[in-house]
Amino acid sequence: GNSVTQMEGPVTLSEEAFLTINCTYTATGYPSLFWYVQYPGEGLQLLLKATKADDKGSNKGFEATYRKETTSFHLEKGSVQVSDSAVYFCALSDHEAAGNKLTFGGGTRVLVKP
Amino acid sequence: NAGVTQTPKFRILKIGQSMTLQCTQDMNHNYMYWYRQDPGMGLKLIYYSVGAGITDKGEVPNGYNVSRSTTEDFPLRLELAAPSQTSVYFCASINPQGEAFFGQGTRLTVV
Repeated sequence: GNSVTQMEGPVTLSEEAFLTINCTYTATGYPSLFWYVQYPGEGLQLLLKATKADDKGSNKGFEATYRKETTSFHLEKGSVQVSDSAVYFCALSDHEAAGNKLTFGGGTRVLVKP
Repeated sequence: NAGVTQTPKFRILKIGQSMTLQCTQDMNHNYMYWYRQDPGMGLKLIYYSVGAGITDKGEVPNGYNVSRSTTEDFPLRLELAAPSQTSVYFCASINPQGEAFFGQGTRLTVV
C-alpha cells in the first residue's frame, strides 16, 4: 500500500535559519504530493502541492520539488520566522485509489525561537 | 467562505455515552473524510465517503459509524464511548485536484 515517511521532530531552529524537512513516499502509479501545516489548536491547511515529477510547489517562502527518482518531496524554507512554528505533514493523493484518499506522514513539529 | 464546519469544538463524554460529531461543507465536494489525531501522532482515517449515500471504512473504523444523506453533511457517530476514543477528530473534504480542506477539529475526552 501507499505510505509516507517524514523525519521525526521536534526540529528547533533560531529565527532566520534554514529549514529542511525530509519526506519520502511509497506509492503505485503517479500520486500528487502535498505539504500541510497545522498551527496550534487548528486544523490542517494546504501549504503547497506538486502533481507530477519535477514539479516545484511553493508558497509563503516554502518550496518542495517532486523527485520521482528518489521518491522524495522535501520541504525547505530559506529563512524561518517565529510564526512558522507549527506541525508540518507530508501527504500523497493516490488518484487510482477509491475515494482519492490522502495518506499522511506522521508530522514534524517545528519550533522557531527568536 | 465557511469551508468545512465542525461542531462541537470540545466535548467530554462519560464511558458508555454516545454522541454525534457534525461536519458540513459548502464547497460541493463529493469526497469527505473523518480522521482522528492522537496526541503527538499523525492522522488516521476512520471513514470516508465518495458521495451522498456511499460510505466506506478507513484504517480505524471500530466504534464509529457514519452516514452521508446529502453532499454537504457527513456526521460521525460514536456509540458506547471508550477512553481509547479520546482524541481530536477532523473532518475534511477533497476537491477534484486532491486538495483537502479541514475543519477546525473536535477535541473529545472520554472519562
